[in-house]
Amino acid sequence: EPEVTQTPSHQVTQMGQEVILRCVPISNHLYFYWYRQILGQKVEFLVSFYNNEISEKSEIFDDQFSVERPDGSNFTLKIRSTKLEDSAMYFCASSKEGEPQHFGDGTRLSIL
Amino acid sequence: SQKIEQNSEALNIQEGKTATLTCNYTNYSPAYLQWYRQDPGRGPVFLLLIRENEKEKRKERLKVTFDTTLKQSLFHITASQPADSATYLCALGSNYQLIWGAGTKLIIKP
Repeated sequence: EPEVTQTPSHQVTQMGQEVILRCVPISNHLYFYWYRQILGQKVEFLVSFYNNEISEKSEIFDDQFSVERPDGSNFTLKIRSTKLEDSAMYFCASSKEGEPQHFGDGTRLSIL
Repeated sequence: SQKIEQNSEALNIQEGKTATLTCNYTNYSPAYLQWYRQDPGRGPVFLLLIRENEKEKRKERLKVTFDTTLKQSLFHITASQPADSATYLCALGSNYQLIWGAGTKLIIKP
C-alpha cells in the first residue's frame, strides 16, 4: 500500500538556524498538509496546500514558516530562525478530495 | 472558537469487552468526522470516516456513530484485544484542515 514518507526521522538544530523538513506524499493525492504535535499535546494543524498554493493556514503558521512543492513528488516545510518552542513532531499528510488523510511517521525536531 | 473534547485521557478495558470512546464538539458543523489511531512515536493511522448525512459506519470490529444534533460521535471496538491498546483521536474538518481532539489512551488488559 502506498505511504507518505518523511525525512529525516530526527533533526537536531541549533536555535536560530533554518531547517527544512521533507515529505513525499502519495503519488495520486492532490491535497497536502503539515501538522505538528508537541510532546504530550494534541495534533495541531499548520497548513494545507492544493493546486500549488496554500489553501488554509493556522495562527501557528506565521512568517517563520513556508511550504513548497519544488517538483512533482516532494513537499517541504521550511522553518526559518528556529526557536526552542518549535521542538515537536512534524507530520506530513496527503489525501484525495473528500477522502481521509494519510500520514507519515513524522520528523522529530529538536531545537537546542 | 471550535472545540473538540474526547471523554477521557485514559480508558482501561478488560480484553474481550467493548470499548466505547466519545468525541464531542462545539461551534462547528463538520462535513465529516474521522477517527485515527496513534501509537507512540508514530503518525496517526486512519480508521474510519463518517459523513454528516450518515448515522453509523462499521469496519470489522469497529463502529462509529455520528449525531450532528448532539454534536457527538461514539467509537466502539468490540471484542477488544491487547493489540488494540493505543491512543485514539477524533478529528473534524474539510479538505483543507483537520481539527483534532486530544485523544483517549485505550488500554486493553489481558
